[in-house]
Amino acid sequence: GAGVSQSPSNKVTEKGKDVELRCDPISGHTALYWYRQSLGQGLEFLIYFQGNSAPDKSGLPSDRFSAERTGGSVSTLTIQRTQQEDSAVYLCASRPQGPPREQYFGPGTRLTVT
Amino acid sequence: QQQVKQSPQSLIVQKGGISIINCAYENTAFDYFPWYQQFPGKGPALLIAIRPDVSEKKEGRFTISFNKSAKQFSLHIMDSQPGDSATYFCAASRAGGTSYGKLTFGQGTILTVHP
Repeated sequence: GAGVSQSPSNKVTEKGKDVELRCDPISGHTALYWYRQSLGQGLEFLIYFQGNSAPDKSGLPSDRFSAERTGGSVSTLTIQRTQQEDSAVYLCASRPQGPPREQYFGPGTRLTVT
Repeated sequence: QQQVKQSPQSLIVQKGGISIINCAYENTAFDYFPWYQQFPGKGPALLIAIRPDVSEKKEGRFTISFNKSAKQFSLHIMDSQPGDSATYFCAASRAGGTSYGKLTFGQGTILTVHP
């Protein structure tokens, strides 16, 4: 079946602009995670959605970052007033409810802030 | 706080050799330890995973060894092939807390297998 998809695959934006990154999880997967992969910080957790529960936003680096998940499926990560340090690959992963805890990753969105 | 430490940062192995990557964790609440393989331009893909109730798990050429008392686990790639050249990440997660299954990653190991 179809895997996790993300769009766009690449995004170049000017410092100060807002960007939206989209994630389409695997159908039926109730859990969705966003991670950020950068040279200096490796792979780091950003936010977690599980069904209709309140998301865990504990990994978001600043209040410029926000995410939502509509209808328990598609998720959008929004970065406002982008900064150069936001340049990274943003990865989305989804998982079915409960064990096992295997997460399936999308190909990522490479964000470059100039 | 770096909760999962991975070594080495890079590794060069000859075709047919054994590749060994090590990880150590701090949080004793972790109870799931996956290894991910990532090729350039792709997202990480699950390779193999282990839970702390077993000391070893083998899938084909890939083996995880787990030492609960030492809080360490390692990935062994037997008969390494040039197609195994990729970045490998160890990770850990816990069942409890507010982020069920949230992965904490090691820093990654760039593996190069020479033909």
